[in-house]
Amino acid sequence: KAGVTQTPRYLIKTRGQQVTLSCSPISGHRSVSWYQQTPGQGLQFLFEYFSETQRNKGNFPGRFSGRQFSNSRSEMNVSTLELGDSALYLCASSLGGSLETQYFGPGTRLLVL
Amino acid sequence: KNEVEQSPQNLTAQEGEFITINCSYSVGISALHWLQQHPGGGIVSLFMLSSGKKKHGRLIATINIQEKHSSLHITASHPRDSAVYICAVPSAYNQGGKLIFGQGTELSVKP
Repeated sequence: KAGVTQTPRYLIKTRGQQVTLSCSPISGHRSVSWYQQTPGQGLQFLFEYFSETQRNKGNFPGRFSGRQFSNSRSEMNVSTLELGDSALYLCASSLGGSLETQYFGPGTRLLVL
Repeated sequence: KNEVEQSPQNLTAQEGEFITINCSYSVGISALHWLQQHPGGGIVSLFMLSSGKKKHGRLIATINIQEKHSSLHITASHPRDSAVYICAVPSAYNQGGKLIFGQGTELSVKP
């Protein structure tokens, strides 16, 4: 089985721009979660989607949004980028959610200039 | 106080040493995850456990739900074990909870 894939792997943007990141889960997995990782804050939960519905959301501003498609692929969007949005963005998929083994993608490293 | 606390935050060991990383949490949980992150960012799930002990190769994870404490042990450590180890707990008893992460333990194993 193919693992979790994320595209793009690296991205450089400037302040004020928007960005869309993509995550393709393992086949059959219906839960996709997104995380932001920074040196100062560590890993922080952004949101989780299950069967195209957002089931949970972390404490991030509304500039961070996401969606999940019928094939379980997920995208997250960050609008009006700020310098502080520079981070590693990871997605993880699982069969059903947080009570099951999480399979992480390689991440997208975003640099905002 | 963080909901999930790990200790130590940094650990340097000599090859072959027995290593223990601890995770304490304040929220009620039904399961706990141990994750490994190598330089470069990739995260791998090592264990998910809800009671007792699990073993995989040289790695052993234990959990005491009543004491809200889990440990990750590495026997006969090797330089390739050098990584950041992270524990994470679900925020709810159902599948819809989010994961709350510890701050991570950075392990360096010297040859």
